[in-house]
Amino acid sequence: KNQVEQSPQSLIILEGKNCTLQCNYTVSPFSNLRWYKQDTGRGPVSLTIMTFSENTKSNGRYTATLDADTKQSSLHITASQLSDSASYICVVSAGSSNTGKLIFGQGTTLQVKP
Amino acid sequence: DTGVSQNPRHKITKRGQNVTFRCDPISEHNRLYWYRQTLGQGPEFLTYFQNEAQLEKSRLLSDRFSAERPKGSFSTLEIQRTEQGDSAMYLCASSEVPGAYEQYFGPGTRLTVT
Repeated sequence: KNQVEQSPQSLIILEGKNCTLQCNYTVSPFSNLRWYKQDTGRGPVSLTIMTFSENTKSNGRYTATLDADTKQSSLHITASQLSDSASYICVVSAGSSNTGKLIFGQGTTLQVKP
Repeated sequence: DTGVSQNPRHKITKRGQNVTFRCDPISEHNRLYWYRQTLGQGPEFLTYFQNEAQLEKSRLLSDRFSAERPKGSFSTLEIQRTEQGDSAMYLCASSEVPGAYEQYFGPGTRLTVT
């Protein structure tokens, strides 16, 4: 069964600190892995997309890594800001590149406190 | 173009009633996806269209659910005889091409069945 699991389920950090979110997946065939940020009551917004051959990708203070051998990914947030408070969802695209069907993790809820 | 839009943003209905949601994708995006998201969980795939053709439906999409995209532009998702278990956020996304290309999400429609 295709699954995406994230840890921790929730996280509280102080403003300015760094944090790392984890994602493990069992999806086959693998197409690509994405990280989304979802504010409460809003739709997800893409942060990064990585294909099989990519190990790391950055988007400002967000850096995602991918280890396709161990089927693990991480999202590192540096110098956190209050606006980073949101749910971060790891998403894997399964099947051929023609499908585009996404399998979502349950998300990590991040709260950044002043 | 202001992105994917969904209407209504919120819907409260009584059990047994029918509801219909609308999604307007980004112009010229040929792929349109519907997802359902319950509280504390990641979105789950329901169905997707390429132009006006509905190419795949999840097992989550029971007989009470029907989706259409009659002219290959906007899409509607109808739920007949709503049940309390249908309460969720219904998200729509669109993409220009499949595979590794970006899916842009709308703000979602929050359905509450009382």
